[in-house]
Formats: sequence, structure tokens, C-alpha cells
Amino acid sequence: QKEVEQNSGPLSVPEGAIASLNCTYSDRGSQSFFWYRQYSGKSPELIMFIYSNGDKEDGRFTAQLNKASQYVSLLIRDSQPSDSATYLCAVWAGRRALTFGSGTRLQVQP
Amino acid sequence: GAVVSQHPSRVICKSGTSVKIECRSLDFQATTMFWYRQFPKQSLMLMATSNEGSKATYEQGVEKDKFLINHASLTLSTLTVTSAHPEDSSFYICSARGKQGAAETQYFGPGTRLLVL
Repeated sequence: QKEVEQNSGPLSVPEGAIASLNCTYSDRGSQSFFWYRQYSGKSPELIMFIYSNGDKEDGRFTAQLNKASQYVSLLIRDSQPSDSATYLCAVWAGRRALTFGSGTRLQVQP
Repeated sequence: GAVVSQHPSRVICKSGTSVKIECRSLDFQATTMFWYRQFPKQSLMLMATSNEGSKATYEQGVEKDKFLINHASLTLSTLTVTSAHPEDSSFYICSARGKQGAAETQYFGPGTRLLVL
């Protein structure tokens, strides 16, 4: 079992819809959870981080964390074609480095 | 969000030469810096982790004598690819971790695209 799992996609949603990206992790000691967006040929860009159970909202983005289920998700409201990218879930369990999922490719159809 | 800069953004060099890449955290003190490499259509691969003033910790399979890392201050880390060969051509990305307010988070630099001829 991978430490951080994401569906590779592509996840295709129409413009204006809600995109839901999911991530599960195996280490119950994980403390911090991050979502990065990576456009093709570019480096990852931090979108959100979450530490506590529940929801955290920032603009069109909402991160949801459920530690009991070892599940973290990212919702993108009013999806735009410019949101088309690969979304990386990353987990920090207090060790040296973040553990990344393999990423979900999102395609927002105009 | 914090800014992490990287220089140069792109470099082309001849086989056998050495290339130095600089990574700076511009508005926060990075307790730890990380160096990643990414080949086309592949996942990020962590190469090494460095803390200011101490030796870098390299991931398995990464040659420490080939990829020299220096973390001179809380805002600067350098990666030197020594005697570069075509197989070293890749996208090198640094990342800095530090505290912003009460939260510890991690930001990536824009990356350096290396092409070795």
C-alpha cells in the first residue's frame, strides 16, 4: 500500500462545476496535509494546508480533513479551465520530508 | 504565500562541466530545504534534505559526491551538479520549509531546467 494514494485521473469536470479531489494516507501519525497544484512544466504551487479535522476554506478552495478515516480532500468550486492541472496531495508525519501522492490530473472543460 | 526563488531558471551546459543552482527563501527563514528532481511526466523525486549549517541527508540512490548541497544560511541553499552528463538533464526544484505565523509549511521554488549536451 502506498503511503499517500490519489486517483491519477484524469478527472474531467465542466466549467463552473465543483471538482472533488481525494487523497488517503496510511500513517496515522500524520500531522499536516498539503495540496499543491502543478501545471505542466512548472513547479508545484501551494494551494492549501490543513492540520485540524474539518473544513478549511480559502476562496474557491475547500480542504477537508478526516483523521479517523485518514482522508483528505480538496474541493474546487466554480471550476475554471485555468484550474486544469495536476493536484498533488502531500502529508507530513514529522519525518524529514513530505510524502507525496502521485497526483490527480484535473481537466476543466470549457 | 512565501516566495522561494531559484537561479538560474534554465541552463544548458556541455558534458563534464559543473552547474550550480541557488535556492533562496525570500520572506521567511527556512529551517529545512529540500531538493527534488522531476523527469517529464513523472512524479517529484526527493534527492536530499538539508538543514542550515549541517550536512545534507541524501535519499537512497542519490550520489552525494555528484550532487553537492550547501546550506549556508537560513535563506540560501545551493545544489551543484558536478561533472554533469546527459542523463542528469532534468527539472531540479528546491523547496523550503519554515514557519509562517503558527503554521509550518513548505513552498517550492520555480525550478531549474538543466540540459546537458
